[in-house]
Amino acid sequence: EIVVTQSPASLSVSPGERATLSCRASQSVSSNLAWYQQKPGQAPRLLINGASTRATGVPARFSGSGSGTEFTLIISSLESEDSAVYYCKQYNNWPLTFGGGTKVEIK
Amino acid sequence: QLQLQESGPGPVKPWETLSLTCTVSGGSIRSTNYYWGWIRQPPGQGLEWIGNIYYTGGTYYNPSLKGRATISVDTSRNQFSLKVTSLTAADTAVYYCAALQGTTVTFHFWGQGSLVTVSS
Repeated sequence: EIVVTQSPASLSVSPGERATLSCRASQSVSSNLAWYQQKPGQAPRLLINGASTRATGVPARFSGSGSGTEFTLIISSLESEDSAVYYCKQYNNWPLTFGGGTKVEIK
Repeated sequence: QLQLQESGPGPVKPWETLSLTCTVSGGSIRSTNYYWGWIRQPPGQGLEWIGNIYYTGGTYYNPSLKGRATISVDTSRNQFSLKVTSLTAADTAVYYCAALQGTTVTFHFWGQGSLVTVSS
C-alpha cells in the first residue's frame, strides 16, 4: 500500500495571501494524484486531478504541481470560502489511499 | 449531473452487519464512464476508500477491511449497496457513496454521507 503524507497538519493564512500545501507519497505515483476540498458537514469536492488539472468549475487560484513522490497545492490568494480541510489521494496503485489532510484556516 | 443519496440504518450493534444503499439519479448506473464507490470517514478523522464496483459487477476492495466488505449493484433500481460484517466501534464513521470517473480515477460526484454509529 502507498502511504500518503500531508504537511502541515494545519495552517492559518490571511485573506489575499498564499497557502502552500504539501503531499508526499511513499513511492512514485507518477502524476496520478488528486486533491479534494472538504468543508465542515459536507462531502469532499474534487479540485485537481492528474496532479495539476483543475476540475470543472474550480477557480484559477487553485493550482497543483509535482510528480513522482512530491506534490504541492497552492491557493494563490486566499478567500474566506477556502477555509476547509484539503486531502490528496493517490490513484497510481490499488488500494486508493488518501493523505491525512491539511486544515486551512483564515486569520 | 449525477446525484447520489445514501440510505442506511443509523445506529447498529457490535458484531452486526451494516447495510447501506446508494441511489443514483441524473444518469444511469450502467454508464461506462463511472465506477461506483464507497468511502468512509470516522468522526474528526480522514478519508478511507472501501471499494468500488462497475455496473457489470466487477469489484475492487481495500484490504484494510480484511474481507468484511461486500459491494453489489442493482442496475434495475439504479442502486449499489455496501455490506460490512462483524462491526466494531472502529467502524463508526460517515459513509459516503461516490461516482469514480474511470479514466481519471477520481471521485467526481458524492452523496451527502450517512453516519453509522456502532454501539451496544
